[in-house]
Amino acid sequence: DGGITQSPKYLFRKEGQNVTLSCEQNLNHDAMYWYRQDPGQGLRLIYYSQIVNDFQKGDIAEGYSVSREKKESFPLTVTSAQKNPTAFYLCASSISRVTGELFFGEGSRLTVL
Amino acid sequence: DQQVKQNSPSLSVQEGRISILNCDYTNSMFDYFLWYKKYPAEGPTFLISISSIKDKNEDGRFTVFLNKSAKHLSLHIVPSQPGDSAVYFCAASAVGGNQFYFGTGTSLTVIP
Repeated sequence: DGGITQSPKYLFRKEGQNVTLSCEQNLNHDAMYWYRQDPGQGLRLIYYSQIVNDFQKGDIAEGYSVSREKKESFPLTVTSAQKNPTAFYLCASSISRVTGELFFGEGSRLTVL
Repeated sequence: DQQVKQNSPSLSVQEGRISILNCDYTNSMFDYFLWYKKYPAEGPTFLISISSIKDKNEDGRFTVFLNKSAKHLSLHIVPSQPGDSAVYFCAASAVGGNQFYFGTGTSLTVIP
């Protein structure tokens, strides 16, 4: 069954801690994306990657970091520098840069205590 | 600056009637548009798309209309069903661009 797997689904973090959200896809897609959703707002792009070992900042990259060492994996680290990290995080992939549709994972909800 | 806008945060419709969800965009370079459906605490799922060379695309109960001159697209759901109750996002991308731009979503409630 092809798809995108995000983990963990729920995560709690103390202020000052870094946390890493996992995103794995077995769709053989080149492009992967991280979005953040806040109540009443659309999906805002954090980072995206079009090929392995390459990634670009999206609209709200400050306080986040990513890596793309393998085609299947695109983990997102929420650092202590992110001022307001409590949100719902969505990972997505697409066959190529912006053709076709985005396939989304189930999401990860991060709560900072 | 929001390049894709959904000005109606919510919409309520009786079961069996038509639901019309609207989306406006500002970037004339956008050439591909998509609609996604999202349930709470889940990832969005793709519904239907349209490219700028068309003005209509239909898939079962779902039809998307594109008015390029007005920079406006709409999603029609006929007939609406209670299971259609969800948040609907429109998204757009530009030729040669690197990302999809999403609207803020419209929460649809279909009343049985």
